[in-house]
Amino acid sequence: AQSVTQPDIHITVSEGASLELRCNYSYGATPYLFWYVQSPGQGLQLLLKYFSGDTLVQGIKGFEAEFKRSQSSFNLRKPSVHWSDAAEYFCAVVLTQGQNFVFGPGTRLSVLP
Amino acid sequence: DAGVTQSPTHLIKTRGQQVTLRCSPKSGHDTVSWYQQALGQGPQFIFQYYEEEERQRGNFPDRFSGHQFPNYSSELNVNALLLGDSALYLCASSEPPGNTEAFFGQGTRLTVV
Repeated sequence: AQSVTQPDIHITVSEGASLELRCNYSYGATPYLFWYVQSPGQGLQLLLKYFSGDTLVQGIKGFEAEFKRSQSSFNLRKPSVHWSDAAEYFCAVVLTQGQNFVFGPGTRLSVLP
Repeated sequence: DAGVTQSPTHLIKTRGQQVTLRCSPKSGHDTVSWYQQALGQGPQFIFQYYEEEERQRGNFPDRFSGHQFPNYSSELNVNALLLGDSALYLCASSEPPGNTEAFFGQGTRLTVV
């Protein structure tokens, strides 16, 4: 079945540690790929997106993501996590221009002081 | 730029009642999409409006309906509310024809009791 998966429901890291959040998709063609962040009780904020070209994309707040076609993955990384990064992170895809977003189930990030 | 604005921010309804949620898109955007986010889950696509017509629809019953006005603002109506309709309802706006980047509002938290 076509889907977006985020294998980690909840991740806890210490402040200053590195972070990697996983995202995999199962579609025939490579979709447009996004990462959104949601703070408690808030809407979604776009961190970064991949349409084509360089497979390593830079986003806001020091985040980056790498697209790997062979693994159907689009993992989100940050070299040094800050306490303010604690939030819910959603990977999302758009199959074709103009189509709706399909979101993964999300990964909740907790940051230890 | 006020971004995407939604109203109200919270509301409580009783089973069987009807509810209307409102969304004003980001300036310059003429496409509005609605998503339902149940607690602990990723957003699920309800429908999309462009040029005052429903262009796409997700897997939601006919109890969910919408409207788009000439100024591009939109309403989401839900009839015969069920307890399971309790969720955060997110509005997203974008520019066609690409529509591959969307801006989300803060959402309306609906509680059905």
